[in-house]
Amino acid sequence: KAGVTQTPRYLIKTRGQQVTLSCSPISGHRSVSWYQQTPGQGLQFLFEYFSETQRNKGNFPGRFSGRQFSNSRSEMNVSTLELGDSALYLCASSLDGRAGAYNEQFFGPGTRLTVL
Amino acid sequence: DQQVKQNSPSLSVQEGRISILNCDYTNSMFDYFLWYKKYPAEGPTFLISISSIKDKNEDGRFTVFLNKSAKHLSLHIVPSQPGDSAVYFCAAPYNQFYFGTGTSLTVIP
Repeated sequence: KAGVTQTPRYLIKTRGQQVTLSCSPISGHRSVSWYQQTPGQGLQFLFEYFSETQRNKGNFPGRFSGRQFSNSRSEMNVSTLELGDSALYLCASSLDGRAGAYNEQFFGPGTRLTVL
Repeated sequence: DQQVKQNSPSLSVQEGRISILNCDYTNSMFDYFLWYKKYPAEGPTFLISISSIKDKNEDGRFTVFLNKSAKHLSLHIVPSQPGDSAVYFCAAPYNQFYFGTGTSLTVIP
């Protein structure tokens, strides 16, 4: 069974630009969550999508948005990039990701975004 | 608001000795915890979990202890091996997954 895939793996952008990251979950998984990892901050939850609907959202500004398609693939968009957006962006999929559900999340390798 | 905290950003241990990684949480509603391990250039992978109905869960060289009254959990690795060198995150699922900031473990051969 293929794991979670993320594209691109590396990205360099300049301030003010926008970027779109893509995540393909494990086949059969319907929940996709996105995280930002920066040194000293651990994994910060961005949002979770389930059946094409955003079900949970973390404390990030509106410049960060996402969507999920009918095949459960998800995209994350960041508009008006800032230097502080440089980070590793991870997506994770799980079977249903119900709030409080105890299934694991399976992570992709991440997209390393550098904003110059 | 960091609801799951790992106060030690790094830890170095000699091969064969015990590694103890600590995690504290603030939300008393958390009742399930997971540890993830992350190598550079890879996503985190699930390592071990514990439910609040237990105070200990063991899987091979890895044991997780939970002290609910102290809102504290720890991961013990015995014996530590160089391949255990990675960043370890504790996490608690509650509406969303809350992750700690991670502890970078280095096992010295």
